[in-house]
Amino acid sequence: LAKTTQPISMDSYEGQEVNITCSHNNIATNDYITWYQQFPSQGPRFIIQGYKTKVTNEVASLFIPADRKSSTLSLPRVSLSDTAVYYCLVGDGTGSARQLTFGSGTQLTVLP
Amino acid sequence: GAVVSQHPSRVICKSGTSVKIECRSLDFQATTMFWYRQFPKQSLMLMATSNEGSKATYEQGVEKDKFLINHASLTLSTLTVTSAHPEDSSFYICSAWGLANIQYFGAGTRLSVL
Repeated sequence: LAKTTQPISMDSYEGQEVNITCSHNNIATNDYITWYQQFPSQGPRFIIQGYKTKVTNEVASLFIPADRKSSTLSLPRVSLSDTAVYYCLVGDGTGSARQLTFGSGTQLTVLP
Repeated sequence: GAVVSQHPSRVICKSGTSVKIECRSLDFQATTMFWYRQFPKQSLMLMATSNEGSKATYEQGVEKDKFLINHASLTLSTLTVTSAHPEDSSFYICSAWGLANIQYFGAGTRLSVL
């Protein structure tokens, strides 16, 4: 199974930009990269998805280099409410196991 | 985006009883849904894949007789924890594929077995 690797935790201060990188060396040609946010005692929430280069939406940007072996989630000007666990998943949307396999995630703590 | 509703959000039961958790896709049809389990401070672990009109597929180590899954319609999957014991206490989360290869998750169910 393709495995994703992320930093276990990160700290930041309010108003700063936060970049969380995910390594996915075994990504397949048809795989997308999807990031989720999870608050305690809640289900994960979709943040952003991309295939290559850069994707931006109203809450985040996703940067994917040409080799696609890693990706970086960028959260601009974080606030205390962005404290959560962030997960990256890779998969082709067919329900294959690797897209359903969560790594350890990154615990982001935003400090005042 | 697609909405997945999960009910109940929290349940407390006595050891030996059975508990049913419902997962509904509200604005789309889901032929496949997934059930996860999450222990405190840990990541989500896939338990099983629920297929509409057919048997569920369970991950290795998950007891299919303890965790009964029924996917009787295109919008509803249920997980029944049979003869629950304290070690079954956990956070259970369902999900379904929506548009554009995105998984949408329910809010989760906190099960506490006394």
